[in-house]
Amino acid sequence: GAGVSQSPRYKVAKRGQDVALRCDPISGHVSLFWYQQALGQGPEFLTYFQNEAQLDKSGLPSDRFFAERPEGSVSTLKIQRTQQEDSAVYLCASSLGIGQGFFFGQGTRLTVV
Amino acid sequence: ILNVEQSPQSLHVQEGDSTNFTCSFPSSNFYALHWYRWETAKSPEALFVMTLNGDEKKKGRISATLNTKEGYSYLYIKGSQPEDSATYLCASRGGGSNYKLTFGKGTLLTVNP
Repeated sequence: GAGVSQSPRYKVAKRGQDVALRCDPISGHVSLFWYQQALGQGPEFLTYFQNEAQLDKSGLPSDRFFAERPEGSVSTLKIQRTQQEDSAVYLCASSLGIGQGFFFGQGTRLTVV
Repeated sequence: ILNVEQSPQSLHVQEGDSTNFTCSFPSSNFYALHWYRWETAKSPEALFVMTLNGDEKKKGRISATLNTKEGYSYLYIKGSQPEDSATYLCASRGGGSNYKLTFGKGTLLTVNP
């Protein structure tokens, strides 16, 4: 597609449930980022991939959060045993490389009940 | 820690008014300053990327300036229209990391017809 695509757009999970959020970046984009935006906050960095290598995962809030990009294109952010504080919009962004423009998806709004 | 601050948090203006917002960021180890426009249920849209002190950029009725020595950027909207209603996010690349963006909390602009 022409832009970054994220799915699902909305997800309601019961507390304790595992969820998987998908990101399809722009074809050929080397860099891929995940951000988390809680209500009333700006987007917060979670993790960064360069091709299939996860070069920075310093923003992942706990070991319940796991991200992968096995073939250097599609990425999945997995959250295990979801908690209410995980409720947020999860944004994915891709770029051609360091110093290039970032292109964002529409985000996945996760609500944990 | 790289803190990006935006003000005001929210703003209501009448159609035709001109307005401006502020973004402040740490000036040390600065690489770039990004402005995004984010409408509800859409992807954040890139407005400007600025790197040099004194940069001024313009896109239609929207313009931005950058002062890297004192660590601030202004976004101006001339003759606001209802379709300008959105959250305006600024993000800085710097502080030892040249690849990830650190966002402010955004300014929510509402333009009343």
